[in-house]
Amino acid sequence: ILNVEQSPQSLHVQEGDSTNFTCSFPSSNFYALHWYRWETAKSPEALFVMTLNGDEKKKGRISATLNTKEGYSYLYIKGSQPEDSATYLCAPSSGTYKYIFGTGTRLKVLA
Amino acid sequence: SQTIHQWPATLVQPVGSPLSLECTVEGTSNPNLYWYRQAAGRGLQLLFYSVGIGQISSEVPQNLSASRPQDRQFILSSKKLLLSDSGFYLCAWITGGAGDTQYFGPGTRLTVL
Repeated sequence: ILNVEQSPQSLHVQEGDSTNFTCSFPSSNFYALHWYRWETAKSPEALFVMTLNGDEKKKGRISATLNTKEGYSYLYIKGSQPEDSATYLCAPSSGTYKYIFGTGTRLKVLA
Repeated sequence: SQTIHQWPATLVQPVGSPLSLECTVEGTSNPNLYWYRQAAGRGLQLLFYSVGIGQISSEVPQNLSASRPQDRQFILSSKKLLLSDSGFYLCAWITGGAGDTQYFGPGTRLTVL
């Protein structure tokens, strides 16, 4: 899996707004899709791992969906808070030990 | 519980000097270990990974090298640093099968002057 694209590259939203962003990846040889949250000066923190087409995962106000047939995953944040400000990374896996990360979506939530 | 350590936390080195960054994992055995780098304004780039002692896979041709002298120790080295080696270096591990969630260390901020 070489071509992992995340969009938008960055966005600013107001506190309380809901937002979503996309991770696109080749649908062939798919094994799992990982989402990570990465705050400045910290290490990435795992949010979700999804494997099945149609999977939906939820953690508090954050949720994610997966479409393996068309090769994309959406991450949603409901009622954004300033503490949600971070870079959100996706990393699809083809079942090997090699992981390729997208360039991330930088989210800034304005109070 | 499993923990991952990296040191040093920050490092400032002159161009042409050697480098050694260390990563150790506690509370697990036979981890798969990874080195990543984030250069300024860039994403997370996989540099090396290792599935066992002495086994290193290199992903990006560069003046860096990696070694795994012990099961839970992963070292990133360079004989002569370049300005372009500046960045944030992260070590990560998985204990499960390929494709499992990765867990990251606290990172090392390297500045090459």
